[in-house]
Amino acid sequence: AQTVTQSQPEMSVQEAETVTLSCTYDTSENNYYLFWYKQPPSRQMILVIRQEAYKQQNATENRFSVNFQKAAKSFSLKISDSQLGDTAMYFCAFMKHYGGATNKLIFGTGTLLAVQP
Amino acid sequence: EPEVTQTPSHQVTQMGQEVILRCVPISNHLYFYWYRQILGQKVEFLVSFYNNEISEKSEIFDDQFSVERPDGSNFTLKIRSTKLEDSAMYFCASSMQGAGAEAFFGQGTRLTVV
Repeated sequence: AQTVTQSQPEMSVQEAETVTLSCTYDTSENNYYLFWYKQPPSRQMILVIRQEAYKQQNATENRFSVNFQKAAKSFSLKISDSQLGDTAMYFCAFMKHYGGATNKLIFGTGTLLAVQP
Repeated sequence: EPEVTQTPSHQVTQMGQEVILRCVPISNHLYFYWYRQILGQKVEFLVSFYNNEISEKSEIFDDQFSVERPDGSNFTLKIRSTKLEDSAMYFCASSMQGAGAEAFFGQGTRLTVV
């Protein structure tokens, strides 16, 4: 069974600074997908960034980038130039490469990020 | 921008009562999901639904739970006889494609069983 661990329940960062959120996972699969989802207060979860495990290159989306270390089963999220709107709960999630007609996400417990002005 | 909508946002029910949580997925999506999050715990997968049938369910999704897509637009989760431990935030999600596709989530329904 796959598990996802986020060891930082809460983090705080000053506006314009850089912050890194940690995520580790455990799986025996070789091909899979990893995601970071963001859940702002009272709003729905939205996808921040997605990584395919068979791609060596780390995914990047504007100010968001990941450090994907497949051998170490680590998938951290770096947020550069933090903005007040980045304040949210961040969830790391795992999906098997092929789950048939199901593509369930396995989530970590989340990291609550507060961006301070 | 299309979004997944869930109703109601908050529901309070008596233990033993039936509840139906409603979701309208994004219209051209084919895969549908329910997740739940008990307060302070991780988001957990309940069930996935594709081609008008359940494609996978977790051990949480026992005989008290059922899902339905009655009219091609709504996607419902029914809990037949609620227990206190069913109190949680329930999230509906949908995706257009299968493996690796982005799931779009609703805002959730907070279910409180008293």
